[in-house]
Amino acid sequence: ETGVTQSPTHLIKTRGQQVTLRCSSQSGHNTVSWYQQALGQGPQFIFQYYREEENGRGNFPPRFSGLQFPNYSSELNVNALELDDSALYLCASGPRPSSYNEQFFGPGTRLTVL
Amino acid sequence: KQEVTQIPAALSVPEGENLVLNCSFTDSAIYNLQWFRQDPGKGLTSLLLIQSSQREQTSGRLNASLDKSSGRSTLYIAASQPGDSATYLCAVKGPAQGAQKLVFGQGTRLTINP
Repeated sequence: ETGVTQSPTHLIKTRGQQVTLRCSSQSGHNTVSWYQQALGQGPQFIFQYYREEENGRGNFPPRFSGLQFPNYSSELNVNALELDDSALYLCASGPRPSSYNEQFFGPGTRLTVL
Repeated sequence: KQEVTQIPAALSVPEGENLVLNCSFTDSAIYNLQWFRQDPGKGLTSLLLIQSSQREQTSGRLNASLDKSSGRSTLYIAASQPGDSATYLCAVKGPAQGAQKLVFGQGTRLTINP
């Protein structure tokens, strides 16, 4: 069984640029959630995708957008990067969007915005 | 709005001690609570998931309890080892914040001294 994978591991961008982060869900999982974790903080929910549709969104501006593909992998896109977007971005997958299901996290992508 | 608090923010103990990490949440109407471990700069490893109908879960040297009515959970680590050094995060899922999202505490940074 393959766990949740994310790419790239690290990324450095400059303010105003755009970035795409990628996530492959765990085998058998069709739900992907994205979280942002600033240094020293707990992760904050960005949004969730289920069957290629957005299925819940946190308090993030529209320049944070996502996609889910038929193989259930996902992308997080951030436009017009700001310094405060520097964080660890975590992807989590689950078998379906049930309130009771456990979520399994990937290793994260560290984004630095200069 | 659900808020999750973890106290203390940091804890340092000698190897071999038993210890308790605390997590409190403001809205007791939760579906479940999950404890995670995070090594520096890494993703989250799920340790234990407690459904709202359960009082505790055990895995090896770890035992997590849940008192939903008082909005509290504890993670008990027996016979601590240097390899247990990490940040421990608790997160809740519930109807108040949208069933699909986890709300995290800020974590307790645990150091086990040899």
